[in-house]
Amino acid sequence: GMPVEQNPPALSLYEGADSGLRCNFSTTMKSVQWFQQNHRGRLITLFYLAQGTKENGRLKSTFNSKERYSTLHIKDAQLEDSGTYFCAAGRNTGNYKYVFGAGTRLKVIA
Amino acid sequence: EAAVTQSPRNKVAVTGGKVTLSCNQTNNHNNMYWYRQDTGHGLRLIHYSYGAGSTEKGDIPDGYKASRPSQENFSLILELATPSQTSVYFCASGDAAANTEVFFGKGTRLTVV
Repeated sequence: GMPVEQNPPALSLYEGADSGLRCNFSTTMKSVQWFQQNHRGRLITLFYLAQGTKENGRLKSTFNSKERYSTLHIKDAQLEDSGTYFCAAGRNTGNYKYVFGAGTRLKVIA
Repeated sequence: EAAVTQSPRNKVAVTGGKVTLSCNQTNNHNNMYWYRQDTGHGLRLIHYSYGAGSTEKGDIPDGYKASRPSQENFSLILELATPSQTSVYFCASGDAAANTEVFFGKGTRLTVV
């Protein structure tokens, strides 16, 4: 299967709602990075994790290398959160390919 | 702030022509990457490099060559461009040894007519 499986492919949220995105990995990954791609196509880094959990404002991300998954949680969704969210994972050193999930298209509705 | 600069930002090429996409990073990163982004596929890895003089095939290398003449520069070359190579291309740099995040350029929109 795909090395990085991202779910859901699309998501609609009302303003103020909470939700989570998930990436599952087919193999052990060394690190994960979450991006938001804005309406101009720019990739904005949200989080970089080698392990554990990080929070930044209304966003929180967790990476569990052993269980092969990472999550991105959005709290109190705002209109400006709309966009496409990608996770990308780095494999072991020596062959440091950086592989992307297919993305989650998020639409926040007023 | 880490910087990855791509040029050109937009390009229209004719089928069968040669196209070179350039990428420059001032981060002193060893690793550099070229991706393309198409609807429904996310970003797919074309070629990557571990350092000056090295190029490695990614997941979809067919139809592309890469060149890493220096630590700072990594080019993607389409010797005979085809309409199927119409896409948005992203360059990135990272330092695997330091296990730090990867930084992306703003992308190049290529249209092959």
